[in-house]
Amino acid sequence: AQSVSQHNHHVILSEAASLELGCNYSYGGTVNLFWYVQYPGQHLQLLLKYFSGDPLVKGIKGFEAEFIKSKFSFNLRKPSVQWSDTAEYFCAVNAAGGGADGLTFGKGTHLIIQP
Amino acid sequence: EPEVTQTPSHQVTQMGQEVILRCVPISNHLYFYWYRQILGQKVEFLVSFYNNEISEKSEIFDDQFSVERPDGSNFTLKIRSTKLEDSAMYFCASSQSSGGFYNEQFFGPGTRLTVL
Repeated sequence: AQSVSQHNHHVILSEAASLELGCNYSYGGTVNLFWYVQYPGQHLQLLLKYFSGDPLVKGIKGFEAEFIKSKFSFNLRKPSVQWSDTAEYFCAVNAAGGGADGLTFGKGTHLIIQP
Repeated sequence: EPEVTQTPSHQVTQMGQEVILRCVPISNHLYFYWYRQILGQKVEFLVSFYNNEISEKSEIFDDQFSVERPDGSNFTLKIRSTKLEDSAMYFCASSQSSGGFYNEQFFGPGTRLTVL
C-alpha cells in the first residue's frame, strides 16, 4: 500500500516569497504523482502531474515539481507566490500501470499568502 | 470545460437511514471513483469503478456501501444504514483512462453528508 507524507501542515508566506512544499511517498513500485489544489470554497483541481519522462514537471499558475526517485520525493515549488495562491495543497500518488487505482493523498498543506 | 457534478451539495440524515449520493462524471470518461474527507482529515479513497463493476475498493468500503451506474450518465454511492462516523465530504471523480497521460482524475465539488 502507498502512503504520502506532507511535512508542512500550515505555511504562511508574504507575497513574492518563494515556495517549496515537501511531499514524500512510500511505495515499492512505479508511481504516478500529482499535486492538487483546493481554493477556498472550490473543489480539488489538478496543478500538475508526473507519470513518466522528465522528472521536472511544470503545471498551471507557475507551479512546478521535481520527482526525485532516489528520495521518493515530489516537492512543489513556485518562485514567487501571489495572494491568490492561498489554498490547501494536496500531494497524491497512485500505482502506475493498468487498473483504476485510487489516489492516496497526503494530509494537505494549508498555505496562506499575506499581502 | 467539462466538469464532474454532484448532487446534493449538502445532505442531512438521521442515523440508520439510507442515503444516495449522485454524481455525473465527465461524458467521455470511463473510470469513476468515490473518495471521502472527514473534517480535519485527509482525503481517502473509497472505491473505483470501470466497465460496470468495482475495480478496486479500500477497507473503508464495507458492506454498508455500494456503487452503481444506473444509466449512461449517473454514478451513485449508496450508504445503506448511516452511522455518525459517516459524516464527511464525499467526492466523486472520473478519469479518461487508468494509466499514462490521461489518468488525471477530475473531481466534483463534493457532497457534505451530515449524520445526526
